[in-house]
Amino acid sequence: DAKTTQPTSMDCAEGRAANLPCNHSTISGNEYVYWYRQIHSQGPQYIIHGLKNNETNEMASLIITEDRKSSTLILPHATLRDTAVYYCIVRVDFTQGGKLIFGQGTELSVKP
Amino acid sequence: SAVISQKPSRDICQRGTSLTIQCQVDSQVTMMFWYRQQPGQSLTLIATANQGSEATYESGFVIDKFPISRPNLTFSTLTVSNMSPEDSSIYLCSASRGSGANVLTFGAGSRLTVL
Repeated sequence: DAKTTQPTSMDCAEGRAANLPCNHSTISGNEYVYWYRQIHSQGPQYIIHGLKNNETNEMASLIITEDRKSSTLILPHATLRDTAVYYCIVRVDFTQGGKLIFGQGTELSVKP
Repeated sequence: SAVISQKPSRDICQRGTSLTIQCQVDSQVTMMFWYRQQPGQSLTLIATANQGSEATYESGFVIDKFPISRPNLTFSTLTVSNMSPEDSSIYLCSASRGSGANVLTFGAGSRLTVL
């Protein structure tokens, strides 16, 4: 599975959009981009995933560049409860032997 | 997505003992995995729990230390054997139905402290 690079930490003001970047320059054509987050003392929570197209759900939006070498997770209106470590992971489908391998992630602090 | 329950949620253990963590999923799942999260660190994959066959371990993890069972499509156990203080970690179970969105869901974790 391809490796990802994320900033170690970011701050965001409450109510503003949080834009979390991820670099995955060695991504393969059959690898998905997944985002998870881990709020302190909880198990990781799935946020969103995509292959080529931009995706949006009730939690966030995922913007993937045309060359697929990077992506951005957008939390449109960050709240204090969004303070967490955010993990960007790329992997092939489980049926192809893909595994979810976590890097160090980005520690997002949402401040009042 | 699947709902995962883990027991115990936390425990304090003595050096040299073993502890078994249980993972129960509310529906049948294809894939089950076990992770370890050491204090202040990210998650590390221990193994894939295969139904009806031996688990597949990641580099650095061995069956004698972390025996895993998966007797059916909704249940798995991880045993941490002959524990030392270095085994103090959160152990997390995860599962996926392996179809559709292939989302991996996690349990809340089992926090082990070894004295």
